Amino acid sequence: NAGVTQTPKFRILKIGQSMTLQCTQDMNHNYMYWYRQDPGMGLKLIYYSVGAGITDKGEVPNGYNVSRSTTEDFPLRLELAAPSQTSVYFCASSYPGRHNQPQHFGDGTRLSIL
Amino acid sequence: AQRVTQPEKLLSVFKGAPVELKCNYSYSGSPELFWYVQYSRQRLQLLLRHISRESIKGFTADLNKGETSFHLKKPFAQEEDSAMYYCALSVGFQKLVFGTGTRFLVSP
Repeated sequence: NAGVTQTPKFRILKIGQSMTLQCTQDMNHNYMYWYRQDPGMGLKLIYYSVGAGITDKGEVPNGYNVSRSTTEDFPLRLELAAPSQTSVYFCASSYPGRHNQPQHFGDGTRLSIL
Repeated sequence: AQRVTQPEKLLSVFKGAPVELKCNYSYSGSPELFWYVQYSRQRLQLLLRHISRESIKGFTADLNKGETSFHLKKPFAQEEDSAMYYCALSVGFQKLVFGTGTRFLVSP
């Protein structure tokens, strides 16, 4: 049982390049999330999804896009990489419950834009 | 506004000392709060949640709605408690609003 798997673990991009951060989970969780974490800051929500075909913006969505074609996968796309997007990106998932359920996190992707 | 404040960026204690990591929140609804922990070279993981009212690894946290706090406590720190600790508030669709985290170091 791998839980939440993120690829790649590290990546360096040039300004203006594009890339997709992959996230997959094997727990059959409906809810999935993308966060970014800048140095000295807490995690901030970029996008989230409550099920296949349903996505919505979080606190810091500008410069990113997501899709959710399956329950398992929730890729995050950077179209035109900018230095401000240098960060550590975390994917997470959770199962909806009567009380708010905890999220399960991936290992993160460390992204540098130069 | 939804906000979580962890005032201490770094907290350092000696082994056996009592522990209190502070967390305050701002939320207009009924709060559901969590403590997450990230040990060195491990992924972020749940430590405890207020709804469970349980003790995990000797840690407890009580929700105080009057003081809007959810401080994490442990009577005696152990070296293996050294980690990064995040307080988080769960809002609609179980989204999390995180504090900036406290680096907790326990010296022998």
